[in-house]
This record gives sequence, structure tokens and C-alpha cells, in this order.
Amino acid sequence: QQPVQSPQAVILREGEDAVINCSSSKALYSVHWYRQKHGEAPIFLMILLKGGEQKGHDKISASFNEKKQQSSLYLTASQLSYSGTYFCGTSLLGGGATNKLIFGTGTLLAVQP
Amino acid sequence: NAGVMQNPRHLVRRRGQEARLRCSPMKGHSHVYWYRQLPEEGLKFMVYLQKENIIDESGMPKERFSAEFPKEGPSILRIQQVVRGDSAAYFCASSPRGQGAQPQHFGDGTRLSIL
Repeated sequence: QQPVQSPQAVILREGEDAVINCSSSKALYSVHWYRQKHGEAPIFLMILLKGGEQKGHDKISASFNEKKQQSSLYLTASQLSYSGTYFCGTSLLGGGATNKLIFGTGTLLAVQP
Repeated sequence: NAGVMQNPRHLVRRRGQEARLRCSPMKGHSHVYWYRQLPEEGLKFMVYLQKENIIDESGMPKERFSAEFPKEGPSILRIQQVVRGDSAAYFCASSPRGQGAQPQHFGDGTRLSIL
């Protein structure tokens, strides 16, 4: 039931781009993306809803492919501050009154100067 | 403009003692979620509460763990008779409403260490 993220880890140089994928075997209602630095709280990035939408702010954007139950996070022209572990959190279609998130396996991103 | 407040930040307990973790949601938020994170792992859902109600506790261990969110005061996650395996970071998150389209904002977590 846990979404699978790929890649598990990626190393970039400043200015390079990266794509992180999140795949679920269940029908999803929403996908939430978070970044967590070591020893800190997860920071909310964005939410995507079923219906296949795309969102972005600054140089970080994401899409949700409802047919594949997959979301992708796009990081363009990466900065040192982008380093951290990225998690997708999913809420299931038909999840009823609960808003609980099932988090993915995580992707460790390291941006080097 | 306080965010989600958790305390204590670090808690050390001996095996068999009780641990109480507190979470005050963001102003205007009435939905609270607790997650557990083991070292180098992802976040695992434990429980979802509204004021005075437990909505979903499907992720809570059946024994020793309990949670509450009273009408007044913070949400409390209580672990009785702690064991070494309870060592983890416990995060609380809050949202203004309970639907799946609401962002959850996380506190800084409580790092629980069991001696």
C-alpha cells in the first residue's frame, strides 16, 4: 500500500534538473509533496488532486497522472537549498472521512556546488 | 503566527516508563494527525483526531499507545511502558479541515529515546 518513489537517491550539481516519481497501486484522491531536511520537520510543497493536474511554484512543479496513479515532482535549475529527502504523501480515493496520508519511501536529493 | 508546536523536542525515558508527547495545532486548525518516523525511514500514520474525537486510529499499535485531543488544550500522544522499539521521532501535523485536499503542516517533532 505504501507508494514507491524513484529514484531512491540522486546527486546533482547546482543548476541541474531532477525528476522524482511517486507510484501507487491504489486509486488516489490526492498527492502531497514534502521536503524534509535531516533532523527537521517535513515542509509542505504542494498538493495535486485527482483529475490530472499540474502545479508549480518558482522552479518546483508537479503533475499527477490519474490513469497511472503516478505523480512526478520536477525540480529545475536546482539550488543548494533543494537538498533533503522528498516524500510524497497520498490519500486514497474512497478514503471516507479520513485525511490520513500514506507516505512514500522517500528520495534523497543532494545538490552539490 | 505560531505554527504547529510540539513539546518536548527531546524526551528520554527508561524502559517501562510512560512518555507523553504534546501537540498544539496551528491557530484555526481543528484536525490533528500523529506520525512516527524511524531513523532513515519514512513517516507512518498513527492516528487522526478532531476536537474530542478520534476519527481514524488504524495506525496505532493495539497496546500501550493512546491519543486524545480534548476540547481545551493540546493533543496528547501517550505511550505506556515504553520499550526500546518505541525510539523514534514522533511528528504531529494539523490542517484546517479534514478532506484529502487540505495541506498538513508539521511540527518539529519529538525525538523519543528509550534507555
